[in-house]
Amino acid sequence: NSKVIQTPRYLVKGQGQKAKMRCIPEKGHPVVFWYQQNKNNEFKFLINFQNQEVLQQIDMTEKRFSAECPSNSPCSLEIQSSEAGDSALYLCASSLSTAEQFFGPGTRLTVL
Amino acid sequence: GQGVEQPAKLMSVEGTFARVNCTYSTSGFNGLSWYQQREGQAPVFLSYVVLDGLKDSGHFSTFLSRSNGYSYLLLTELQIKDSASYLCAVRAPNYNVLYFGSGTKLTVEP
Repeated sequence: NSKVIQTPRYLVKGQGQKAKMRCIPEKGHPVVFWYQQNKNNEFKFLINFQNQEVLQQIDMTEKRFSAECPSNSPCSLEIQSSEAGDSALYLCASSLSTAEQFFGPGTRLTVL
Repeated sequence: GQGVEQPAKLMSVEGTFARVNCTYSTSGFNGLSWYQQREGQAPVFLSYVVLDGLKDSGHFSTFLSRSNGYSYLLLTELQIKDSASYLCAVRAPNYNVLYFGSGTKLTVEP
């Protein structure tokens, strides 16, 4: 069973508000991924980290999100100004460098 | 681009088997993973394949044909509790980012 912890489980924001969610990866896993799963079950990769360094991110993430994985603190993903289209399940996964990814339960964001 | 396709739904009967198909067309390939996801829950890792052929893991088996861009997940001796969505995900060569299909919702009937 996955030991990835995500908080909060549910988040409700108004349009234009900031929305912040957190992830604690499995102990010993240096790589963290964030994915967005929309209501049609379509997954979109957002960003990944190895330790505190960003490995890869998509344009949307670069422009509208801020994310970090500080040492000894939870990783976080924050939408700077929420839009209705951001309503989705945000999944955090962690892994060893080249192994399978283990997912947390997700943060379900609703933007009103 | 990354294209991973799965049928949306599949139905089968308790005690029999179900085969969940996945086709992919991606700009790079570093293996394919299968996950199970129940409503409102995290995807749970089931299997990873990178070489052609059948990988038998008991209740779940997976097949891969890289030349055809095709994989399947085979569930045998189905139980009602196997009803869930099954996600196929291609692992990209760069940083192992996963590109998912939209999942196949399997319903196992008595």
